[in-house]
Amino acid sequence: AQTVTQSQPEMSVQEAETVTLSCTYDTSESNYYLFWYKQPPSRQMILVIRQEAYKQQNATENRFSVNFQKAAKSFSLKISDSQLGDTAMYFCASPSQLTFGGGTRLMVKP
Amino acid sequence: DVKVTQSSRYLVKRTGEKVFLECVQDMDHENMFWYRQDPGLGLRLIYFSYDVKMKEKGDIPEGYSVSREKKERFSLILESASTNQTSMYLCASPPGGQLPYEQYFGPGTRLTVT
Repeated sequence: AQTVTQSQPEMSVQEAETVTLSCTYDTSESNYYLFWYKQPPSRQMILVIRQEAYKQQNATENRFSVNFQKAAKSFSLKISDSQLGDTAMYFCASPSQLTFGGGTRLMVKP
Repeated sequence: DVKVTQSSRYLVKRTGEKVFLECVQDMDHENMFWYRQDPGLGLRLIYFSYDVKMKEKGDIPEGYSVSREKKERFSLILESASTNQTSMYLCASPPGGQLPYEQYFGPGTRLTVT
C-alpha cells in the first residue's frame, strides 16, 4: 500500500518570505508522478505542481518549486515570495493519486 | 473549461436516512473518484470508477455504495447515514490514459448527519 505523510499540520509565514512544506511517501513503483494540490478556504482544490519521478530536474511553476529526493522518497514544496492568496490547505498526493497526505494548513500573514 | 460539479454544497440529513451525493463531469473522462476529507486525515478514497458500471473499493468503502450508469455521472450513496459520516465529500476526475494526470475536483459537499 502507498502511504503519504505530511508532518506539518499547520505553518505560517510572513508575506514575501519563503516557506517549505514537507512530504514523504512510499511506493514500489519505479516510474511515477507526484502532485501538490492547494485548497483555498471555501474554494475548489486545484493542482499546484507536478513532478515526474524519472526527471532529475525539480519542477518549477512561477513561485512554486519542489525539492524531489527520490532515494529519500521526499517531495517538499517551496513557496517563494509568499502572498496572502497562498493561504490554503496544501495536500501532497501519491503516485497513483489514490492516497493523499493529511494536509498542511498554511497561513500567510501580512 | 474543465468542470466537475456536485449536486449540493451543504446537506443536512438525519441518522438512518438514505443519502445520495451526485457528481457530474463534462470532460468525457472515464475515471471518477469519491474522497472524504476530514481534518488531520486528509483525503481518503471511498470508491472509484474507471468506466460505466464499473466500480472499485477504495480505502474506506464501509457504509457507502456507488452508482455509475452514465459516463458523466458518479453517485455516492449512504445507505443509512450515521453521525460518523459527517464530513466533506469531494468528487474528482482525471483524464484517462496510462499516466496519472492531475485530478479535477468538484467544489465539495459538506454533509452533516444529525
